[in-house]
Amino acid sequence: QTVVTQEPSLTVSPGGTVTLTCASSSGAVTSSSFSNWFQQKPGQAPRALIYSTTNKHTWTPARFSGSLLGGKAALTVSGVQPEDEADYYCLLHYGGARVFGGGTKLTVL
Amino acid sequence: QLLLQESGPALVKPSETLSLTCTVSGGSISGSSYYWGWIRQPPGKGLEWIGNIHYSGTTRQSPSLQSRVTISVDTSKNQFSLRLTSVTAADTAVYFCARDDISSGWPLDYWGQGTLVTVSS
Repeated sequence: QTVVTQEPSLTVSPGGTVTLTCASSSGAVTSSSFSNWFQQKPGQAPRALIYSTTNKHTWTPARFSGSLLGGKAALTVSGVQPEDEADYYCLLHYGGARVFGGGTKLTVL
Repeated sequence: QLLLQESGPALVKPSETLSLTCTVSGGSISGSSYYWGWIRQPPGKGLEWIGNIHYSGTTRQSPSLQSRVTISVDTSKNQFSLRLTSVTAADTAVYFCARDDISSGWPLDYWGQGTLVTVSS
């Protein structure tokens, strides 16, 4: 089964920029992977941030953006806020089935 | 506003079957482009996609769970359900239901709050 890999943890200073990535064991991530990004805070359900690689939901703050970077899906947070401290998960599409990455714990320090 | 709510037993014995239902309100489960999914999260661990279903009955499951998972839909009740057979302690998790939409690029945008299911004797 395909394995989706994310950085286990990242630390960023308030106001800084950070990029999280999402790699697939089956090869390069492309637009056909319809990558999603989710934010999850303790005790809460995940909140959708990005879908179809680059698209934002109406509730997604402008500082979050999605892209493809070097064969991976990427989530960039520009001008990080303290409230962005959370776990972030990517999700890739494989011919109808979906696979989550292991998640990245983002610390704002 | 679309709301999803999971329901079912909080405790299941090992080797038995876990059964959960997701009730959809504020919208129809029969939208032609919607897929209704199940995701789980063991305590302190990451998310795992279980599978999804279209109102027509078309389903997809994770290969790792496929042999034990059944997802069904009841359009008359605006509900869809998950059955997971032969459960073990490894199936202890918070189970979420969520909506996906093929027409807008699979956003997986609406989620239930989740329900914790513990497998224990």
